[in-house]
Amino acid sequence: EAGVVQSPRYKIIEKKQPVAFWCNPISGHNTLYWYLQNLGQGPELLIRYENEEAVDDSQLPKDRFSAERLKGVDSTLKIQPAELGDSAVYLCASSLVGFSSYNEQFFGPGTRLTVL
Amino acid sequence: AQRVTQPEKLLSVFKGAPVELKCNYSYSGSPELFWYVQYSRQRLQLLLRHISRESIKGFTADLNKGETSFHLKKPFAQEEDSAMYYCALASGSARQLTFGSGTQLTVLP
Repeated sequence: EAGVVQSPRYKIIEKKQPVAFWCNPISGHNTLYWYLQNLGQGPELLIRYENEEAVDDSQLPKDRFSAERLKGVDSTLKIQPAELGDSAVYLCASSLVGFSSYNEQFFGPGTRLTVL
Repeated sequence: AQRVTQPEKLLSVFKGAPVELKCNYSYSGSPELFWYVQYSRQRLQLLLRHISRESIKGFTADLNKGETSFHLKKPFAQEEDSAMYYCALASGSARQLTFGSGTQLTVLP
């Protein structure tokens, strides 16, 4: 089992360019999360999916960020246009239905974005 | 709103010494707390959860509702314990996680 897969692992772009991150959750996990982790901080939730539905996107900056999970499996997070302050690690996690005390979130390795 | 505070960014101890990583929380509901760990070049993973009341890799953590704390302890630190440790609180019907800012533990030989 490969666990949660993310690509790319590293991305360097110039400001104002678009960028996209991809996540493949653990097979059978219908809940998918995207987190933002700034340097020296813990992860912060951007968006949570239950199957195809974004059930919590209150922390997603919708002017430049978008996400999709069309078939309820893979997900893509996009930034357009990127700003210098978007430099961070973007983490994807998955779990079984919702997240109860028994439904652990499993994290991917993250994508480290650097905006120049 | 819920909040998790880890007051120490960095913590160094010698091998064999006791270690305690501090975590305080604020939450109006019934808290559910976790410790996550990230070893060098590895992904973030669950270390333990308060509801299980178990010891993992020699670590324990007790929820103290009076002091709103969930400190992580180990009586004898090992070099392989060196890692980044995050305290997290699950809240709401969806048990959304709120993370602290993390403590980098270094166990010296």
